Amino acid sequence: EAGVTQFPSHSVIEKGQTVTLRCDPISGHDNLYWYRRVMGKEIKFLLHFVKESKQDESGMPNNRFLAERTGGTYSTLKVQPAELEDSGVYFCASSQGARGWTEAFFGQGTRLTVV
Amino acid sequence: AQSVTQLGSHVSVSEGALVLLRCNYSSSVPPYLFWYVQYPNQGLQLLLKYTSAATLVKGINGFEAEFKKSETSFHLTKPSAHMSDAAEYFCAVSPYSGAGSYQLTFGKGTKLSVIP
Repeated sequence: EAGVTQFPSHSVIEKGQTVTLRCDPISGHDNLYWYRRVMGKEIKFLLHFVKESKQDESGMPNNRFLAERTGGTYSTLKVQPAELEDSGVYFCASSQGARGWTEAFFGQGTRLTVV
Repeated sequence: AQSVTQLGSHVSVSEGALVLLRCNYSSSVPPYLFWYVQYPNQGLQLLLKYTSAATLVKGINGFEAEFKKSETSFHLTKPSAHMSDAAEYFCAVSPYSGAGSYQLTFGKGTKLSVIP
């Protein structure tokens, strides 16, 4: 069974440009999470989807970040326009939708560098 | 609110020696606690979890951790380090809510080096 897949693995863009990160969760997983790790800092929660709905987006840094989850399947995270401080590794994770705790499986991450 | 403190951003041990990675947490509600490992060029992998059952939790690859409420600690140990254990380890906490988002709050991570 395929795991959580993220595209691209690396992206280098100039300040002011737009970048879109994609996450394909494990098939059948209702929960999808985005996290970010800025260099030298801890991994921080960005937002949580349940199917196609945003359950919690309290971690989104500002309105330059837009996350979508089309039809409750894959998700995209768009940064527009990108700033230098957006550089970091963006992780996606997914888990089943059952009640109670279920393990979240992480993708390999997308390393974003804004120059 | 939750927070996690991992003592030591880098830890070096000799092959065969005890591995001890420290984690302290704070949580306003009964927490779920986790250790994740990230090997180079890979995603985060769950090592073990505490979800209010047994306080001594055994995980994969010979790792275990003990939940100590009085010390608000969840230290990770392994009796004998192997070269393949070299990786970055993350402690994380999540509030137990029974349903909904199990948003994780991570520590800054500890890079473990194993010396031959």
